[in-house]
Amino acid sequence: DAMVIQNPRYQVTQFGKPVTLSCSQTLNHNVMYWYQQKSSQAPKLLFHYYDKDFNNEADTPDNFQSRRPNTSFCFLDIRSPGLGDAAMYLCATTLSGPSTYEQYFGPGTRLTVT
Amino acid sequence: AQTVTQSQPEMSVQEAETVTLSCTYDTSENNYYLFWYKQPPSRQMILVIRQEAYKQQNATENRFSVNFQKAAKSFSLKISDSQLGDTAMYFCAFRSMFNAGNMLTFGGGTRLMVKP
Repeated sequence: DAMVIQNPRYQVTQFGKPVTLSCSQTLNHNVMYWYQQKSSQAPKLLFHYYDKDFNNEADTPDNFQSRRPNTSFCFLDIRSPGLGDAAMYLCATTLSGPSTYEQYFGPGTRLTVT
Repeated sequence: AQTVTQSQPEMSVQEAETVTLSCTYDTSENNYYLFWYKQPPSRQMILVIRQEAYKQQNATENRFSVNFQKAAKSFSLKISDSQLGDTAMYFCAFRSMFNAGNMLTFGGGTRLMVKP
């Protein structure tokens, strides 16, 4: 089945130690998103790729970076994780266009910072 | 900028009964899309139902239906014959038609507990 896959599902890192989360999709969608979701809150958009074009949200900290080497893969790099970065990170994809294309979400990576 | 408000942080319902989750939004646009997403505990978020603002008819998907009141900017979700598997966080979301990146504006969510 076509889907959005995130690895790992659980990640533990130390304070200040760089970490990379990955997302892959078999849907051939041209738009990919990274969200941060803290407990019982709505997902907060960090950035998205529209094809190869990177779009950063204004309030996304510089500590968060992203790479999209090809259509299928997207990475979230946290350069120096702080305790406040502990959260669920969700990847989502969609097709651009005026139609009501939904966003398809991955299962998320739960990041713990010790 | 659009805003989406879900005024019920938590709700509960007995199995087999009906429950309605509220959502209001604010926009100056005339054409847009509205969605309800479901996020079960420790599972991924999935789309429950969608509504195009230009359609007057309320969307229905099996036990799930919406009451879309465009003038009032209200978009409530009704779950009929509630099942234990409906226990989840529910997020209402708005999408502009003029948003090239198809980005969503989420409400704060409603945690629904279905009790046996």
